[in-house]
Amino acid sequence: AQKVTQAQTEISVVEKEDVTLDCVYETRDTTYYLFWYKQPPSGELVFLIRRNSFDEQNEISGRYSWNFQKSTSSFNFTITASQVVDSAVYFCALSEDYGQNFVFGPGTRLSVLP
Amino acid sequence: DAMVIQNPRYQVTQFGKPVTLSCSQTLNHNVMYWYQQKSSQAPKLLFHYYDKDFNNEADTPDNFQSRRPNTSFCFLDIRSPGLGDAAMYLCATSRGAGNTDTQYFGPGTRLTVL
Repeated sequence: AQKVTQAQTEISVVEKEDVTLDCVYETRDTTYYLFWYKQPPSGELVFLIRRNSFDEQNEISGRYSWNFQKSTSSFNFTITASQVVDSAVYFCALSEDYGQNFVFGPGTRLSVLP
Repeated sequence: DAMVIQNPRYQVTQFGKPVTLSCSQTLNHNVMYWYQQKSSQAPKLLFHYYDKDFNNEADTPDNFQSRRPNTSFCFLDIRSPGLGDAAMYLCATSRGAGNTDTQYFGPGTRLTVL
C-alpha cells in the first residue's frame, strides 16, 4: 500500500501567487516523522522540514509554511508569493519509528512562471 | 562547504561493464545511504550502512553492492549494469540509526548505460 500520496503531479503558477502542495500519508505507527524535500533541476534533494507525529503545531519559515493535521493524515506545504526559483520537484516523505525508513511520495513538480 | 559529495556527477558506462560510484561526507555522520532515482520517480532506497553494519533493502538486486571503508566514504558498485540501471544515484547521510533522523543528500551521479 502506498504510504505517501502526493495527488498533484504537476502544478503551474504565475510568480507571486500562493501555492499549496498536498501530502497525505498512511501509517499505523504512533511515532513517525514527516519530511519535505525540494529537488531543483540540479538534482540535489534539499531538506526543508522535519516534523514528528507529536507536534501538530504549524510552522512558518519565511515564505514557506506547513500545515500538519493528524485527523486527516495530511502534511501540506504552502509557498507564499512564489518565485521562479521555487520551480522544482517537491517530495513529501514518511519515516516510521519501528517501520519503514524514509518512504517518499511520488513528488509534485512545481513550475513558477514569470 | 559541500557536506555530501558525489563523484562523478555524470558517469557513462557500457552494458555489462562494472562501474563504481563514490560518495564522501564531511558531517561525520554514522549512517550513509544509497538511493536510485529513475526519471520522474521518487528516490528508492537500495541499502544503507550504520557504521560498518550493512543493511540491504529486500528488493535491491544482487547486481548492486556497496562498500564503506571508513566513516567518510561509501561506494556503490554495479557489477553488470543493464539498460534499466540508468538512473540518478543519490547518496545521503544521517547522524543516527533511527528511522526518524533527517537525511542530507548529495548532488547525485547520473548514470548512463550504453
